[in-house]
Amino acid sequence: EAQVTQNPRYLITVTGKKLTVTCSQNMNHEYMSWYRQDPGLGLRQIYYSMNVEVTDKGDVPEGYKVSRKEKRNFPLILESPSPNQTSLYFCASSIRGKGTQYFGPGTRLLVL
Amino acid sequence: AQTVTQSQPEMSVQEAETVTLSCTYDTSESDYYLFWYKQPPSRQMILVIRQEAYKQQNATENRFSVNFQKAAKSFSLKISDSQLGDAAMYFCAYRSGGGSEKLVFGKGTKLTVNP
Repeated sequence: EAQVTQNPRYLITVTGKKLTVTCSQNMNHEYMSWYRQDPGLGLRQIYYSMNVEVTDKGDVPEGYKVSRKEKRNFPLILESPSPNQTSLYFCASSIRGKGTQYFGPGTRLLVL
Repeated sequence: AQTVTQSQPEMSVQEAETVTLSCTYDTSESDYYLFWYKQPPSRQMILVIRQEAYKQQNATENRFSVNFQKAAKSFSLKISDSQLGDAAMYFCAYRSGGGSEKLVFGKGTKLTVNP
């Protein structure tokens, strides 16, 4: 089954404790992206990747890092999480230039 | 920068009736894509329908259809024969034909379906 997977689905952590949210897709998509969803603000792009070893900032990159060492994986790293990073995070992927992005199931993060 | 506006924070419809959700967008580009995504209580983002700006014909997917008015920059979603499972948040989204391929989302419309 073609899909985007994320792990963990739920995470409670404390301020300053490094964490990684994994994202993997099995559709051989070049393009991958991370979004965060907050009440009243909709979804906003954090980082994206056009292909392996090619990443760039989105609209809200502060406090996040990403890497793209393999085509299928695009982990999101929070090196020192803060409470304002409490949010619902989505990973998405698509064929470059073809428009439609497919989303993972989301990761709900609570930073205390 | 492109913006997407959904002017209806909440809508309701009776089961089996038809409802239209509104979306307007602002862009200076000629090549772009428009989408409607559905987010049920599970929080999954599910693609409902997509429209390429260069296509004049409105997209349809079963009970879902759009009214794409390029000159007016309007992209409404019509749901026919509404079902209880249609209850969800609906997000309109814009994607440029080039560049970062970022999706720009509206703030969403919460649709309630009454039995």
